[in-house]
Amino acid sequence: EVQLLESGGGLVQPGGSLRLSCAASGFPFSNFAMAWVRQAPGKGLEWVSTISGRTLSGGGGTTYYADSVKGRFTISRDNSKSTLYLQINSLRADDTAVYFCAKDAGAGYYYFNYWGRGTLVTVSS
Amino acid sequence: SFKLTQPPSLSVSPGQTASITCSGDRLGDKYSSWYQLKPGQSPVLVIYEDYKRPSGIPERFSASNSGNTATLTISGTQTLDEADYYCQSWDSSATWVFGGGTRLTV
Repeated sequence: EVQLLESGGGLVQPGGSLRLSCAASGFPFSNFAMAWVRQAPGKGLEWVSTISGRTLSGGGGTTYYADSVKGRFTISRDNSKSTLYLQINSLRADDTAVYFCAKDAGAGYYYFNYWGRGTLVTVSS
Repeated sequence: SFKLTQPPSLSVSPGQTASITCSGDRLGDKYSSWYQLKPGQSPVLVIYEDYKRPSGIPERFSASNSGNTATLTISGTQTLDEADYYCQSWDSSATWVFGGGTRLTV
């Protein structure tokens, strides 16, 4: 059974930083792209970032970001720990959201077939 | 940048058919997916690759994608289908795009 468990959210002051984690299990983590998607209070889903999985040639780890977070957020993964990360810096009030970890369906598919329960990030002084 | 537009809300009576549209430039040339999101829960994939249903998704959920519009159809809508529904696609500029979401009231 695929499981995704986010952690690391909390209350942080504007300008602060947080590192979110997503522990994955139930599938070969290294083979799949992973993503972060957020939902601000009362708003819709917003794609934040994706990191590719391992390729047949042994590469992978290519990162992609939404324009709204480029330069402030960094996505990374530790395949040995089956864990996805999101380092979020220079936090702003409009970064307040539930952050979901999501598993990509596979190379060339570009949709998310499993999601975590989310972790809440609140940016406030 | 590529954008997807959905109606903010839709209301149907139980047993009726609900059709939720998602519009984007040449969306029919791309794959579309649909997610169901209920308050306090994780999003659930209900349609992928335009019309395919994941295992466990009831047959009353169907979808199509052509031209500039993808459509999610729920036949015989039930009260448990009340949720927010989001379309999603992928743009060649390497961005994953969600529609603004449609709140379905049953």
